[in-house]
Amino acid sequence: AQTVTQSQPEMSVQEAETVTLSCTYDTSENNYYLFWYKQPPSRQMILVIRQEAYKQQNATENRFSVNFQKAAKSFSLKISDSQLGDTAMYFCAFLTGANSKLTFGKGITLSVRP
Amino acid sequence: NAGVTQTPKFRILKIGQSMTLQCTQDMNHNYMYWYRQDPGMGLKLIYYSVGAGITDKGEVPNGYNVSRSTTEDFPLRLELAAPSQTSVYFCASRGPNRDTGELFFGEGSRLTVL
Repeated sequence: AQTVTQSQPEMSVQEAETVTLSCTYDTSENNYYLFWYKQPPSRQMILVIRQEAYKQQNATENRFSVNFQKAAKSFSLKISDSQLGDTAMYFCAFLTGANSKLTFGKGITLSVRP
Repeated sequence: NAGVTQTPKFRILKIGQSMTLQCTQDMNHNYMYWYRQDPGMGLKLIYYSVGAGITDKGEVPNGYNVSRSTTEDFPLRLELAAPSQTSVYFCASRGPNRDTGELFFGEGSRLTVL
């Protein structure tokens, strides 16, 4: 079974600074996909960024980038130039090629301070 | 497009009552999912479906039932409501292209069992 671990329950960052959110996972699969989802207070689930395991290059989306370490099974999210609108809960998620289930971590609450 | 539509958004049930959470998507997605999110926690998979007529259990299926008679609809049935089922429920769908893997979520349904 696949597991996703987010060990930091909460983090806080000053506006305009950089923050990194950690995620580790466990799988015996070789082909899989990793995601970071954002859940603001509105409760809506928003895809932030995705990474295909077969790609060595780390994914980037504007201020968001990942550090994907396949051997270490680590998938961290870096948010640069943090904005107040980044305040939300962030979930790491994992999708295997073998089945269709997306497994989520417990999430981390990020607060951006003005 | 409406995307994924869930109803109702809020519901209060008494212990032992039954109800159905409705979920409809208009994107012709094969995959559909039901998750529950308890306060301060991640999403746990209840049931999922890879296409009309095919459903399978997730991590926490006890106390729930689903059906998938059409591509568009994936209702979740609670037969004998219990306080442990108090949660926010999310329906989600995904297209067949696993390379994107993005789940499209409904707005959630907050259920309270008293």
